Amino acid sequence: KNEVEQSPQNLTAQEGEFITINCSYSVGISALHWLQQHPGGGIVSLFMLSSGKKKHGRLIATINIQEKHSSLHITASHPRDSAVYICAVTSLIQGAQKLVFGQGTRLTINP
Amino acid sequence: DAGITQSPRHKVTETGTPVTLRCHQTENHRYMYWYRQDPGHGLRLIHYSYGVKDTDKGEVSDGYSVSRSKTEDFLLTLESATSSQTSVYFCAVKEAGQGTDTQYFGPGTRLTVL
Repeated sequence: KNEVEQSPQNLTAQEGEFITINCSYSVGISALHWLQQHPGGGIVSLFMLSSGKKKHGRLIATINIQEKHSSLHITASHPRDSAVYICAVTSLIQGAQKLVFGQGTRLTINP
Repeated sequence: DAGITQSPRHKVTETGTPVTLRCHQTENHRYMYWYRQDPGHGLRLIHYSYGVKDTDKGEVSDGYSVSRSKTEDFLLTLESATSSQTSVYFCAVKEAGQGTDTQYFGPGTRLTVL
């Protein structure tokens, strides 16, 4: 079983819809990261959070440490949001030097 | 932008040939990483470096070696490439210190081994 699990693996929605991507983890962590990868593109860090909620534009990331769960929300989704979203954690066991990655969620927003 | 470049960006090679991928950074980040990304597996750590001449293995290190003789360069070598090493390779960097867990990724190298 992977230490970091994302759901869904694939998500297709219409422009304007509210999007939620989930991440569950099974290890103790010091931080959780959300990353974005556009088709054929590089990987960009969106958020790093260890508690509560962070917001950047239309993107909101939340984390519940007790439940070992995080969500990434996109409000008023747009076709340019189409990308793979990757959850990763800094595991207390492996240390701050390494990230443990989920397998990613492929999001497609249709106009 | 953490000033990371990878070369080459694309490479096609034949089984059994040696291949070296280069990661170059301009901002003196202490930590450097090599990952491979494959469908169904996500990103997996091959090797990482925590300083000049200081490296350690990741979860998929078999068949790969690395070297870091300068802060700015981290080389990944496939001594004898195999078809199972066809993948997209990403380099990443990270600063040292508390609260600096964020890694910054290079643009990737697409390697095809025929």
